[in-house]
Amino acid sequence: DQQVKQNSPSLSVQEGRISILNCDYTNSMFDYFLWYKKYPAEGPTFLISISSIKDKNEDGRFTVFLNKSAKHLSLHIVPSQPGDSAVYFCAASDYSGGGADGLTFGKGTHLIIQP
Amino acid sequence: NAGVMQNPRHLVRRRGQEARLRCSPMKGHSHVYWYRQLPEEGLKFMVYLQKENIIDESGMPKERFSAEFPKEGPSILRIQQVVRGDSAAYFCASSPVGTSTDTQYFGPGTRLTVL
Repeated sequence: DQQVKQNSPSLSVQEGRISILNCDYTNSMFDYFLWYKKYPAEGPTFLISISSIKDKNEDGRFTVFLNKSAKHLSLHIVPSQPGDSAVYFCAASDYSGGGADGLTFGKGTHLIIQP
Repeated sequence: NAGVMQNPRHLVRRRGQEARLRCSPMKGHSHVYWYRQLPEEGLKFMVYLQKENIIDESGMPKERFSAEFPKEGPSILRIQQVVRGDSAAYFCASSPVGTSTDTQYFGPGTRLTVL
């Protein structure tokens, strides 16, 4: 039972254009969402997060949008750069809801930035 | 300021042997989380520990797996009598406080191969 879903296993974007990575969740108790980036043979690196009380958070080239009614969030990267090529994981938590204290991850989307 | 450290990076065991994975959190962090990533899957939460306490082990298999975070030294994830299905990447993360908005920072992982 996947509570966090990333339906696109891979995404190819041209350098300089916008990359949009999508994530859907089913657990309405999730109250905090994060995006991690992962290179092969390395651990995930934190990118950006958003609390359920907000609908947008921006940090440099990265913006995360949250649509609670649709249980959907997205990560926008603009402009995309070659170093952005990696696997991106969406993660969620429901600490305040009394659920597990760990993060629930999606399966990841492999972003490929084409020159 | 060293990040989360895990060792060994690669571990090979034969079926029936024991595997011990070590995690040293970031300086100043007192909360440790263990995750497992099977091939082509996202990370799955296993256990959350504070110093000398297991806070949440809802993701741990009921048998053969145990974790500890002693007052001194690293956190240890121990897998007894390993089987081929235990082959995976095991990631440790740490956070300073453990609140709902506390970002978890990941180590590089230990890749366990069971022959």
